[in-house]
Amino acid sequence: AQSVTQLDSQVPVFEEAPVELRCNYSSSVSVYLFWYVQYPNQGLQLLLKYLSGSTLVKGINGFEAEFNKSQTSFHLRKPSVHISDTAEYFCAVSGLGQGGSEKLVFGKGTKLTVNP
Amino acid sequence: DTGVSQDPRHKITKRGQNVTFRCDPISEHNRLYWYRQTLGQGPEFLTYFQNEAQLEKSRLLSDRFSAERPKGSFSTLEIQRTEQGDSAMYLCASSPGRYLKPTHSYEQYFGPGTRLTVT
Repeated sequence: AQSVTQLDSQVPVFEEAPVELRCNYSSSVSVYLFWYVQYPNQGLQLLLKYLSGSTLVKGINGFEAEFNKSQTSFHLRKPSVHISDTAEYFCAVSGLGQGGSEKLVFGKGTKLTVNP
Repeated sequence: DTGVSQDPRHKITKRGQNVTFRCDPISEHNRLYWYRQTLGQGPEFLTYFQNEAQLEKSRLLSDRFSAERPKGSFSTLEIQRTEQGDSAMYLCASSPGRYLKPTHSYEQYFGPGTRLTVT
């Protein structure tokens, strides 16, 4: 079974400041890792994913994340945020080698608020 | 590619009533998922279809919940005898599956959700 911990429930930052949203996971098998963004009253949009290969992955809207296997972390970063980045961000894992649904297990989310 | 669509977007019902939600996945996606999201929480897996076969159900899916995907295209989620605890956002997602699109098989594309309020 997998679990995801998002260490910060809310992160307020000023516009053009850098931001890091933290995610740690636990799993008894190898995993794929994802970050999704959810704007108010909308579904989830995939920001980026780590499947294999380079541990630094780049996604949409200038976001990137780094997979650290030894620390079981997958933190999301952006060097300079915009007001439009205000949203809720979810980290998710999917277990490998189990066949079946490959369902996503989500963290509780981090609400990012970008202030002018 | 029109994306995943869900209907209705909002549903208000009285306790004890039955409700049914519909999800239309991206065409040719053979995998379809239902998740439930309550306030302040991340989505939680409910059930999964590969084509028309329901292959996995979460223990969250009580006997009052039933899901179908009769022709391997759209899916319905029915809740019987709704309770106030059923109030949540119900999200549907689809993915292409490893044979259709191996490099994207693990990507799930989400619909806008159906927000259920049970009064």
